[in-house]
Amino acid sequence: GAGVSQSPSNKVTEKGKDVELRCDPISGHTALYWYRQRLGQGLEFLIYFQGNSAPDKSGLPSDRFSAERTGESVSTLTIQRTQQEDSAVYLCASSLVQFSGNTIYFGEGSWLTVV
Amino acid sequence: SQQGEEDPQALSIQEGENATMNCSYKTSINNLQWYRQNSGRGLVHLILIRSNEREKHSGRLRVTLDTSKKSSSLLITASRAADTASYFCARETTDSWGKLQFGAGTQVVVTP
Repeated sequence: GAGVSQSPSNKVTEKGKDVELRCDPISGHTALYWYRQRLGQGLEFLIYFQGNSAPDKSGLPSDRFSAERTGESVSTLTIQRTQQEDSAVYLCASSLVQFSGNTIYFGEGSWLTVV
Repeated sequence: SQQGEEDPQALSIQEGENATMNCSYKTSINNLQWYRQNSGRGLVHLILIRSNEREKHSGRLRVTLDTSKKSSSLLITASRAADTASYFCARETTDSWGKLQFGAGTQVVVTP
């Protein structure tokens, strides 16, 4: 595709429900990243995928968060038993290859509100 | 956790003025990148500077890097109202290859 595509763009969910956020990276990009951004703050790294390597999950804040990626394409970030503090924009990004100094391209984000 | 700070947190200037923002970090880096974000959504890559570089230019943007002080600055010259956005520096540290660490950003408002 032309750019990184994320869906839904906005999601309101009740506390305790599970949510899935989807990311379609740029075609051919082997590296995929998820970041979280709370209102007025910077980006928190969550997880990244690179090809067939084991994902780096070091940024996931709790075991309620998980992510999967199908080959070198779509990724899904799942948040189970959502809490109000999970409210944030979840940004996905991809890059052609994961090497030092590579530019990463961001999607428009999925705005999650937990009520 | 974030590995550095942007300064100032907010900046308000008039069109035509220059805007300067700084980024400090704590650990050794491979490179430092600046991104722009409009309206709290997707980020756009502006410029990348590697640890062995001291200055880079791109249009009205000028980035400097001082690895001895562990700091970088982004200068926007002759600012325009369309430059209104949040600007983030992102570090790729030597112990987290390929993974960018972002600061809290500088919110820039350019008034006509």
